[in-house]
Amino acid sequence: DAMVIQNPRYQVTQFGKPVTLSCSQTLNHNVMYWYQQKSSQAPKLLFHYYDKDFNNEADTPDNFQSRRPNTSFCFLDIRSPGLGDAAMYLCATSREAGNSPLHFGNGTRLTVT
Amino acid sequence: RKEVEQDPGPFNVPEGATVAFNCTYSNSASQSFFWYRQDCRKEPKLLMSVYSSGNEDGRFTAQLNRASQYISLLIRDSKLSDSATYLCVVNAPYSSASKIIFGSGTRLSIRP
Repeated sequence: DAMVIQNPRYQVTQFGKPVTLSCSQTLNHNVMYWYQQKSSQAPKLLFHYYDKDFNNEADTPDNFQSRRPNTSFCFLDIRSPGLGDAAMYLCATSREAGNSPLHFGNGTRLTVT
Repeated sequence: RKEVEQDPGPFNVPEGATVAFNCTYSNSASQSFFWYRQDCRKEPKLLMSVYSSGNEDGRFTAQLNRASQYISLLIRDSKLSDSATYLCVVNAPYSSASKIIFGSGTRLSIRP
């Protein structure tokens, strides 16, 4: 019954080697988000899609890109991972932007070696 | 001043105790408020939305005080399984859109 699914749960990549994280949802929600969370910190919003409209946070590095080919899927591409990009990456959805609560996937923990 | 502030804790209380957390927000136009629970190395999960009139779900009570710009979470008869980090989330107007802002979380540890 998982509604927001992230793959893989754990990802190890080498410094500078591109990596893609995936997220799918069965909720048919309009909005999909990507958050980065480091230990003992709040989740930090990287970007979100409202339907097909992409919204990038001002402080999200260019190294992070995203694609949403359809309602159900969203991808996070890290073009050249650095050691500082090691974190938990959380995908979330909401029915609408604003007053709707977020539904999180179980996250992908990225290690950069 | 941070947009959403929480006492990081940790709060360490005995099983059965009542514990309360506050969360303050800076944007008076904030529109919606939530409490999430996050277990170690897991994703945040929605605990409850916070309504203007206050709301209760079993042992959990959430309150909103717009005048003083804070929300609170009260946990009664705490259980060992309540040990987690509790994240306050506020949705606030930002430019022409709205923005979901997380507090940094309050750690709660329940001891036997």
